Amino acid sequence: DIQMTQSPSTLSASIGDRVTITCRASQSISSWLAWYQQKPGKAPKLLIYKASSLESGAPSRFSGSGSGTEFTLTISSLQPDDLATYYCQQYNSYPLTFGGGTKVEIK
Amino acid sequence: EVQLVQSGAEVKKPGESLKISCKGSGYTFSNYWIAWVRQMPGKGLEWMGIIHPGDSDTIYSPSFQGQVTISADKSISTAYLQWSSLKASDTAMYYCARSYEDTAMVHYWGQGTLVTVSS
Repeated sequence: DIQMTQSPSTLSASIGDRVTITCRASQSISSWLAWYQQKPGKAPKLLIYKASSLESGAPSRFSGSGSGTEFTLTISSLQPDDLATYYCQQYNSYPLTFGGGTKVEIK
Repeated sequence: EVQLVQSGAEVKKPGESLKISCKGSGYTFSNYWIAWVRQMPGKGLEWMGIIHPGDSDTIYSPSFQGQVTISADKSISTAYLQWSSLKASDTAMYYCARSYEDTAMVHYWGQGTLVTVSS
């Protein structure tokens, strides 16, 4: 199985801050990486697919980059609505695997 | 509008069987994979497996192979996740989710079904 490692596991930032979350794969997954946002008590929602493509309807302050084994999710200007846990997932090969999650808190 | 509507919360005893459902609408159900994802209380997301309703091709995560059964009935646009003998450790939220185009990537999610197993 491909292991996905996210860092940090928790981050606290102020409104307006630029926030970066990292996801590392245990082997190359090309660009077959997605990012999901899960707000408390809700189902996850797709934010980014194919490493850098923004899902329709997702705010433009979210962006993704990377390929191979190193990926990042960036929030250009943190908003109160961004309080959530963010997960990466590789879909290069079965079984699909998720990272452990990054909980974003507002300072 | 794509929608996945899951069956309601369940409370079961250890050793009991259970089948939960996920009904798709707003798209051609047979054409897209349906995945199941587990989230244990306070924990992260775990991919359990996936089924193609068109031909019932099913792929399980090794972690869940033999522990659950994934099935689908394309005639009623419904996918299922079932257990033959529940354990307390099966207590979790279970999400179904539709794939994106011709990939296995999870795109649209159901609202989740909370399964509680307790004596």
